[in-house]
Amino acid sequence: KAGVTQTPRYLIKTRGQQVTLSCSPISGHRSVSWYQQTPGQGLQFLFEYFSETQRNKGNFPGRFSGRQFSNSRSEMNVSTLELGDSALYLCASSIPPDGQETQYFGPGTRLLVL
Amino acid sequence: AQSVAQPEDQVNVAEGNPLTVKCTYSVSGNPYLFWYVQYPNRGLQFLLKYITGDNLVKGSYGFEAEFNKSQTSFHLKKPSALVSDSALYFCAVRVPSGGSYIPTFGRGTSLIVHP
Repeated sequence: KAGVTQTPRYLIKTRGQQVTLSCSPISGHRSVSWYQQTPGQGLQFLFEYFSETQRNKGNFPGRFSGRQFSNSRSEMNVSTLELGDSALYLCASSIPPDGQETQYFGPGTRLLVL
Repeated sequence: AQSVAQPEDQVNVAEGNPLTVKCTYSVSGNPYLFWYVQYPNRGLQFLLKYITGDNLVKGSYGFEAEFNKSQTSFHLKKPSALVSDSALYFCAVRVPSGGSYIPTFGRGTSLIVHP
């Protein structure tokens, strides 16, 4: 089975721009979660989607949004980029979530905001 | 609120020696505990998890972890370290809360195995 794929792998943007990141989960996985990883804050949960519905949301401003499509692929969008949004954005997929499931992570998208 | 602590930013060990990466947690309720490893420029890879049952959990690549409820710990161990084990290790906890299972991750511990 192919693993979780994320595109693009690297991205450079300037402050004020917006960005869209994409995640394709493992075939058969219907849950997709997004995380932000930075040296200062570590790994922080952004949001989780299951069957095209947002199930959970982390403590991030409204500039961070996401969606999931009927084929379980997911996108996240960050509007009005700030320097502090520079991070590795990780996507993880799993079978229907019950808390016990193992999450499978993609390689991440490294975003640099200048 | 749930929290996870990995008290050591870095652990150094010689190849062939046993290794331990520490994790303690604070939750209300029964936790689900996970260990992940991250190699440079890669995403996280699942190592093992504790849900219920036997306190000693065996995982990938020869790693194991022991759930200790009284000490609220879930330390990661391996009897004999390899240079290729050098990576960043994350402990994570989930507690069902109103149907939500948002995970909390520790800050990570960098494991360096010296030849």
